[in-house]
Amino acid sequence: GAVVSQHPSRVICKSGTSVKIECRSLDFQATTMFWYRQFPKKSLMLMATSNEGSKATYEQGVEKDKFLINHASLTLSTLTVTSAHPEDSSFYICSARGRDTQYFGPGTRLTVL
Amino acid sequence: LAKTTQPISMDSYEGQEVNITCSHNNIATNDYITWYQQFPSQGPRFIIQGYKTKVTNEVASLFIPADRKSSTLSLPRVSLSDTAVYYCLVGDPNTGGFKTIFGAGTRLFVKA
Repeated sequence: GAVVSQHPSRVICKSGTSVKIECRSLDFQATTMFWYRQFPKKSLMLMATSNEGSKATYEQGVEKDKFLINHASLTLSTLTVTSAHPEDSSFYICSARGRDTQYFGPGTRLTVL
Repeated sequence: LAKTTQPISMDSYEGQEVNITCSHNNIATNDYITWYQQFPSQGPRFIIQGYKTKVTNEVASLFIPADRKSSTLSLPRVSLSDTAVYYCLVGDPNTGGFKTIFGAGTRLFVKA
């Protein structure tokens, strides 16, 4: 099946710094990618839809100035958490729309101290 | 987007067949039904997808009745490693805006 990678797999940062997470579709092109956040024992929550060459579409309640999304190519989308705070600590997962369905990355564990 | 309802949790024993049913009463004509498996601290893994009747692959079967208002994921002879959360999702994969909204999922516990 299609493979989606994320980098880094885990990151620890200080409060107030920015963190960039990369999502790549390795063996297919994805015009649309999605970013999710997941808290412990909870389901995935969709944050935004990333479209190649255009602005991302954010779900209600998600701050677009805090979670910057860039989809510069058909195989790469990035999520930047700006001025991170401890409450931003979470598991971030991306997915890419393949030909018939969505394929998910392995996730990135963000811990903000 | 069609909302889905699944049991919160299920228990099973190794070697048994497990059936997880999902309700999606307002499924649209172009919607497909997709199931994902998720282990702790990992991204969801695609299991199976179908539109109607029955779909089978090397890991599971998906049964969809004629009215498509529900679906059942069948896992044959589960093992301890099948302990995970299983998500049922409904959407049209052929639209550019297809986005997967996750419900609560079903936590499956497989016991020895």
